[in-house]
Amino acid sequence: GAGVSQTPSNKVTEKGKYVELRCDPISGHTALYWYRQSLGQGPEFLIYFQGTGAADDSGLPNDRFFAVRPEGSVSTLKIQRTERGDSAVYLCASSPRPVTGGRTGELFFGEGSRLTVL
Amino acid sequence: AQTVTQSQPEMSVQEAETVTLSCTYDTSESDYYLFWYKQPPSRQMILVIRQEAYKQQNATENRFSVNFQKAAKSFSLKISDSQLGDAAMYFCAYRVDSNYQLIWGAGTKLIIKP
Repeated sequence: GAGVSQTPSNKVTEKGKYVELRCDPISGHTALYWYRQSLGQGPEFLIYFQGTGAADDSGLPNDRFFAVRPEGSVSTLKIQRTERGDSAVYLCASSPRPVTGGRTGELFFGEGSRLTVL
Repeated sequence: AQTVTQSQPEMSVQEAETVTLSCTYDTSESDYYLFWYKQPPSRQMILVIRQEAYKQQNATENRFSVNFQKAAKSFSLKISDSQLGDAAMYFCAYRVDSNYQLIWGAGTKLIIKP
């Protein structure tokens, strides 16, 4: 597709359930990022992929959160035993290459997945 | 710690007038980048303008310009000739050159009055 696609757009689940959020980046973009945006706040970094590997998962809040990108394209963010505090918009972004090393590097964002845990 | 502060939770401006959104940041780094992103109700973050810290000249993009004061660690966004389509949340963000993580402010809601 032309842009970053995220599904589902909205997800309502019950406390304790398992959730998967999908991100389809722009074709050819090797770098992929997940951010979490809680209500009334700016996004917070979760994880960064370069190709298939998670180059930095230091932002994942705990071991209930896990993300994969098995073929270097689509990524899935997985949340086990969801809690009410996990409610947020989960934003995915991609870039053609890593944005470090003197590159200003524009990130291209999707429209996010709004997760509501009841 | 690196932080970004947007002190204006909400701003309003009359259509066609000019508005300035404030942003300050705290860092000990010398090589970094600053960004303003717009987030409409669709939730998609859209890059408005960016500034490299090593550049003294303020960035401009059509009706959008910044006032970058490196010593004061200030990075304000000026929107000229405000249009109804400018209504959105605006986020200031910072990134160190050696890192890819964006550090974000809490955002400013911009309301355009017709």
